[in-house]
Amino acid sequence: QSVLTQPPSVSGAPGQRVTISCTGTGSNTGAGYDVHWYQQLPGTAPKLLIFNNNNRPSGVPDRFSGSKSGTSASLAITGLQSEDDADYYCQSYDSSLGDTVFGGGTKLTVL
Amino acid sequence: QVQLVESGGGVVQPGGSLRLSCVGSGFTFTPYHIHWVRQAPGKGLEWVAVISSDGRNKDYGDSVKGRFSVSRDNSKNTVFLEMNSLRREDTAMFYCARSWGYSAYPFDYWGQGTLVTVSS
Repeated sequence: QSVLTQPPSVSGAPGQRVTISCTGTGSNTGAGYDVHWYQQLPGTAPKLLIFNNNNRPSGVPDRFSGSKSGTSASLAITGLQSEDDADYYCQSYDSSLGDTVFGGGTKLTVL
Repeated sequence: QVQLVESGGGVVQPGGSLRLSCVGSGFTFTPYHIHWVRQAPGKGLEWVAVISSDGRNKDYGDSVKGRFSVSRDNSKNTVFLEMNSLRREDTAMFYCARSWGYSAYPFDYWGQGTLVTVSS
């Protein structure tokens, strides 16, 4: 299983708010390493959505926001739209492994 | 615009070898560290390897250590992933991605991926 734990799936109706959690341990998120989030639309490469816990790259709508506290991080999406239907991955660094690590991914379904 | 383009994927028999390439364009290549990330069919992302901007430092995921080797030619804006002793479980889409830091940094641009299939 993945070093970072994400729920396999979440869902919400258009216009609603959803959150996706990413839980690590004391050697990664709990050690102070930043969390980054990616969106992967079907059949495409991942795209950077949030970096350093709560920063949006240019062009990413402010409907997307991130937060981190202790060993856990969260991605929040407000005003859900059909085009948000995608897989979402968190990423951090693990000092025990000495590697970049990803969460297992969360499939967001917009109902 | 920033582009990373992977190539070299294909079908290879178990135990075989393959060399992937990742060519960058639309940005100054040399300051960036380049990572390889793979995704098995229907599965999540798995970090594979990283090479530093000057090519001196390299790291690998445990599942590929000793079998894969990463290198770069900054004169050609290209990073290579040499894959040996391929196993069926190496079947995946392989992406290259750039980061402005060696570790713990985000991957701000990704290529479109190249598919590697290990099958007899």
